[in-house]
Amino acid sequence: EVQLVESGGGLAQPGGSLRLSCAASEFSLSSHSMAWVRQAPGKGLEWVSTISPSGDNTFYADSVKGRFTISRDNSRNSLYLQVNSLRAEDTAVYYCAKIFYYYMDVWGKGTTVTVSS
Amino acid sequence: QSALTQPPSASGSPGQAVTISCTGTSSDIGGYNYVSWYQQHPGKAPKPMIYEVTKRPSGVPDRFSGSKSGNTASLTVSGLQAEDEADYYCSSFVDNSNYLVFGGGTKVTVL
Repeated sequence: EVQLVESGGGLAQPGGSLRLSCAASEFSLSSHSMAWVRQAPGKGLEWVSTISPSGDNTFYADSVKGRFTISRDNSRNSLYLQVNSLRAEDTAVYYCAKIFYYYMDVWGKGTTVTVSS
Repeated sequence: QSALTQPPSASGSPGQAVTISCTGTSSDIGGYNYVSWYQQHPGKAPKPMIYEVTKRPSGVPDRFSGSKSGNTASLTVSGLQAEDEADYYCSSFVDNSNYLVFGGGTKVTVL
């Protein structure tokens, strides 16, 4: 079964950092653009970042630009999101998703990031 | 960076149809046929229901249909069933570096 599994979430202090990971199984990550999408408690979905299959092109929402970095290791079939300078408003469930023609056809179950002192 | 506009709620009785609108601009919905819709039940990950405005992923019932006119896209759920009660989000490609944008979500209630 095609699957994405996120990890790396947890509690971080304001200004702190975390590295989120997303492992793919039953398909090769290297052929696909990938994305991170987040959902704050009780709120809607927010696109965070996208990376091209090779990793040469990256895109970010204005709300995270300069603080978050998306990357991938195709040899490990994994996607990453380095989240720095965390703010309370970054508290959310973070989903990774596989992109197929500008829509997200496979989603992970999410990893929760909580920013609090 | 503006989200697409959806009504916060919609409802219908079992067997009826409900239509959810999603309004954007000529830079997103109006300019491209890359509109998608996602269903999300509480505590679950989103599930894709429609892509490229009208196409259904494998396994999605044909009760779900999508359309677009100008800068507004719509999702129609016909023959409402109890399990259709969920939050629904639209999304579109955007022609700048923001890449993708979601709507604020619509909570569908089956009366």
